[in-house]
Amino acid sequence: AQSVAQPEDQVNVAEGNPLTVKCTYSVSGNPYLFWYVQYPNRGLQFLLKYITGDNLVKGSYGFEAEFNKSQTSFHLKKPSALVSDSALYFCAVRPRSGNTPLVFGKGTRLSVIA
Amino acid sequence: KAGVTQTPRYLIKTRGQQVTLSCSPISGHRSVSWYQQTPGQGLQFLFEYFSETQRNKGNFPGRFSGRQFSNSRSEMNVSTLELGDSALYLCASSLDRVGVETQYFGPGTRLLVL
Repeated sequence: AQSVAQPEDQVNVAEGNPLTVKCTYSVSGNPYLFWYVQYPNRGLQFLLKYITGDNLVKGSYGFEAEFNKSQTSFHLKKPSALVSDSALYFCAVRPRSGNTPLVFGKGTRLSVIA
Repeated sequence: KAGVTQTPRYLIKTRGQQVTLSCSPISGHRSVSWYQQTPGQGLQFLFEYFSETQRNKGNFPGRFSGRQFSNSRSEMNVSTLELGDSALYLCASSLDRVGVETQYFGPGTRLLVL
């Protein structure tokens, strides 16, 4: 069965510092990988996805994610955090074959401190 | 282009009642998925509809049901509500149902069961 792990429930970072939100997955083959962000009382907003090719994927709001096949990881990164980046971040995975639904991690709450 | 819309945004019901939630996907999107989000369980997949047919179903009891209309709008119904059904219910739409397609989420319907 496929699964996604976000090992940190909470990540705290100072404004202006780089941030990393970790994600590892367990899926057979090379899956499609997604990152979403959720602000309070809102739905999920799509940030970026990995399909194929370059292991570094650039997305919205200055976020990027690095796909590492050997470590089955897809960590979300941003060079310089903003207070407005404070939110709940979800990693999700979907196998390439078949029509199975997205599987989400538990989420990581990012807090950027001014 | 308008995003995914969900109605109502907030709902309070009592145990034993039933509820119907509505979702209008992004124009042109044919796939609609529903998720339940709770603090304890995170995001859990309920079901997916494509061309008025349920294509995938999550591990939820038969009290949870849904349907999709010819215009791709979708409804989900929960009968005989239980306290544990209190959650944020999210709808997501995508162009098609292949794995690479990005799902775009609505703002959700927050259901409170008393």
